[in-house]
Amino acid sequence: AQKVTQAQTEISVVEKEDVTLDCVYETRDTTYYLFWYKQPPSGELVFLIRRNSFDEQNEISGRYSWNFQKSTSSFNFTITASQVVDSAVYFCALKSGAGNNRKLIWGLGTSLAVNP
Amino acid sequence: NAGVMQNPRHLVRRRGQEARLRCSPMKGHSHVYWYRQLPEEGLKFMVYLQKENIIDESGMPKERFSAEFPKEGPSILRIQQVVRGDSAAYFCASSPGDSPLHFGNGTRLTVT
Repeated sequence: AQKVTQAQTEISVVEKEDVTLDCVYETRDTTYYLFWYKQPPSGELVFLIRRNSFDEQNEISGRYSWNFQKSTSSFNFTITASQVVDSAVYFCALKSGAGNNRKLIWGLGTSLAVNP
Repeated sequence: NAGVMQNPRHLVRRRGQEARLRCSPMKGHSHVYWYRQLPEEGLKFMVYLQKENIIDESGMPKERFSAEFPKEGPSILRIQQVVRGDSAAYFCASSPGDSPLHFGNGTRLTVT
């Protein structure tokens, strides 16, 4: 079975704190992609990152970083020095096996509130 | 390059009416996907279309729901005889192929 679990339903932090959003996935396929999307209060879904299963290098983009560990089937997302504008719901998603985007499996999202 | 455009942003319908949701993909994108987001249920795939063709509608209810992506014009998701359970946010996404999806702002449907 393919599944994405985001165990943290809601997280609240104070501005400038670092925060990590967890994502654990399940798949039997050896080829797969993992995604993070952001949904701010305005409602749109913003693509943040895509990683494939053969690339375990961690990635950093400004204050955002991603830690992909196949050994624990996790693809965690860390925001460093959080800001109020980071407040949003963050979704982790899995695309597994051959085929196209219709096989995206989504987590339920983590709602992050960054307070001033 | 304009993003994926969805309209209307909010749609209110009474039970039994029809709802039409429109989606214009990003320029150059020929693949369109519709997702439904229910509270506390995350995003669920509904249908995948390419120009004039439905590729996969396995996530779409068999009755009352239909989708099209004509040669000219936007993709349309149509819900006939809406019921309260259809209230949700409906997102359209597009891609040029096997690449990350770009989403629109969604249409929030409320059935009264």
